[in-house]
Amino acid sequence: AQSVTQLGSHVSVSEGALVLLRCNYSSSVPPYLFWYVQYPNQGLQLLLKYTTGATLVKGINGFEAEFKKSETSFHLTKPSAHMSDAAEYFCAVSDRGNFNKFYFGSGTKLNVKP
Amino acid sequence: GAVVSQHPSRVICKSGTSVKIECRSLDFQATTMFWYRQFPKQSLMLMATSNEGSKATYEQGVEKDKFLINHASLTLSTLTVTSAHPEDSSFYICSASHGGTGNTIYFGEGSWLTVV
Repeated sequence: AQSVTQLGSHVSVSEGALVLLRCNYSSSVPPYLFWYVQYPNQGLQLLLKYTTGATLVKGINGFEAEFKKSETSFHLTKPSAHMSDAAEYFCAVSDRGNFNKFYFGSGTKLNVKP
Repeated sequence: GAVVSQHPSRVICKSGTSVKIECRSLDFQATTMFWYRQFPKQSLMLMATSNEGSKATYEQGVEKDKFLINHASLTLSTLTVTSAHPEDSSFYICSASHGGTGNTIYFGEGSWLTVV
């Protein structure tokens, strides 16, 4: 089975600073990779995904992530944090043979300080 | 855009009772929906795959007699936690696949269940 590790359950950055949320997966075959964001009392919203092609993926709200096969990583970054980015972020993977089934990391709560 | 809605968003029930959580696809038909559970400070874990018109497929370790899933229509799946116990208190979230948008997965808002 797949497993996903998100380092840091809480990350705090200042407004305007770089955001880096880490995600590593365990799979011998590169899976599909996703980042979701969850605002309080709301569902999961897709930020970006990697399925194939270019390993640097750009998503909504200025976020991007890079798939690094050698490191089995899919870290999420944003050059300049905004107060509205404060939320919980989930990294997830799905098998290429069954892309509907997701395996999630434990989530990282991002706090943005003014 | 496509929306998946869950109800209720929060529910408190007494130990030993049953509670039902609904997952609806509001503007598309979903032949397959998925139920996840998240314990505090843990990952979202897939519980089962809900198939319209047929039995759900449960992940290993999930009690199918305790977590009853019914997918009676193309827009509604329900999860019933039977004889709930405090250890069933968790965050439950569903997802649905929208085939019309390249099989994009949409998630509901989630439901917080507290068993007292």
